[in-house]
Order: sequence, then structure tokens, then C-alpha cells
Amino acid sequence: QKEVEQNSGPLSVPEGAIASLNCTYSDRGSQSFFWYRQYSGKSPELIMSIYSNGDKEDGRFTAQLNKASQYVSLLIRDSQPSDSATYLCAVKGLGTSYDKVIFGPGTSLSVIP
Amino acid sequence: GAVVSQHPSRVICKSGTSVKIECRSLDFQATTMFWYRQFPKKSLMLMATSNEGSKATYEQGVEKDKFLINHASLTLSTLTVTSAHPEDSSFYICSASFLGVGGSGQFFGPGTRLTVL
Repeated sequence: QKEVEQNSGPLSVPEGAIASLNCTYSDRGSQSFFWYRQYSGKSPELIMSIYSNGDKEDGRFTAQLNKASQYVSLLIRDSQPSDSATYLCAVKGLGTSYDKVIFGPGTSLSVIP
Repeated sequence: GAVVSQHPSRVICKSGTSVKIECRSLDFQATTMFWYRQFPKKSLMLMATSNEGSKATYEQGVEKDKFLINHASLTLSTLTVTSAHPEDSSFYICSASFLGVGGSGQFFGPGTRLTVL
């Protein structure tokens, strides 16, 4: 059973702080990793993708991947109240047909003004 | 980024009727489309995966005769909820993907909120 795990939260951080979201996955053959943001009542929005070990930065977001540890994280710098949402980690592995990805249960983030 | 649309955004129907939801990729050809449902404060639940011109692959526990999926072209997939009942009330979301180097992410439509009375 291929699994993606996240802490459900809620994770609360003060405005301006760094929010750190973590994700682990069970399929060692996984190749592609994604972070989605979902506001309440809305559909998920792709915010980051990462394929190689190391860090990938995009604005205030940094994705970190460690395939040896089967761990992927998302850092949000200078957190804003508008970042309050549920963050979904998603993983795609080798051998999965039709581009199917496995989603984690999501971590709820609350940024306190 | 890639744009996926869904129609309708919200539908209210009587128990026993059928409801069709359309999902379109607007600026790319989607090799695969996915259908999810999501209950309040719960995670996404994949219902089925479909490729253009072939039968959908349903996840375990999803009734294929109740949730009919048609993937007529590389830009359009439809989900029909047949003989809807109140327990089918949920947020239905489609997504689309295309093959690329490293594998692409999925791009989600805005979702359809179904309420069955």
C-alpha cells in the first residue's frame, strides 16, 4: 500500500514567521513530488513541484526533498494570514499508470495576525 | 499555469435524478483526467481515472454504474451521478494532467458542489 503521510495539524504560526510543513512517503521509487494549497470550500491549487534532491525556491516558498529519507517539506517564509489553508502533499511514483498521484491527508495551517 | 474548468459550479437536485458535471482543460490537451470527491473537512478521495477514448479505472468501493465517466476528447471529461441520493451530496472536483519531463502535477478544476434534496 503506497502511502503519503502528513501531520493533520492545525499548525499555527504568527504572521511573519516561517511555517514548516512535512510529508513522508512509503514508495521508495517515487519520482515526482508536489505541494498543493486548498482554501476552505475551494479546489486545490498547485504551488510547488520538485523532482531532485535538495531545495527548490519560488518566492516565499521553498520545497525540500530528501529521497534517501523519503521526506519532502515545504517552507513558507514571512507567513501571511492569506497563507492560512490546508496544504496537500502529493507523490507520483514509477510504475503508476496514467500519471496517478497519491495525496496525503493535508496539513491545516493557520497564520495568526 | 494550465487551466481546468468545471460546469456547473453548484447544483441542487431532487433525489432520484441524474446530474452531469463537465470538466474541460482549456489551454492544454490532458492525457489523463481524474475525478475526486471531498466531504467537509476531509481529504480528497479519488473516484476514478480516465484517459481519452478508453474506459475509466474506478477506485475500490466506487460504483461505476452510479458514477458514469465519459472521456470523449483530450479536453473534455464528464461525470454523471445517476439516481442521486442525499448521501451523494459532496464537493466533486476534476483534475487534468499531461505528460512531461519528470511527470506533471495535476491541475484542478474549481469543483462542483452537489446537493441532493
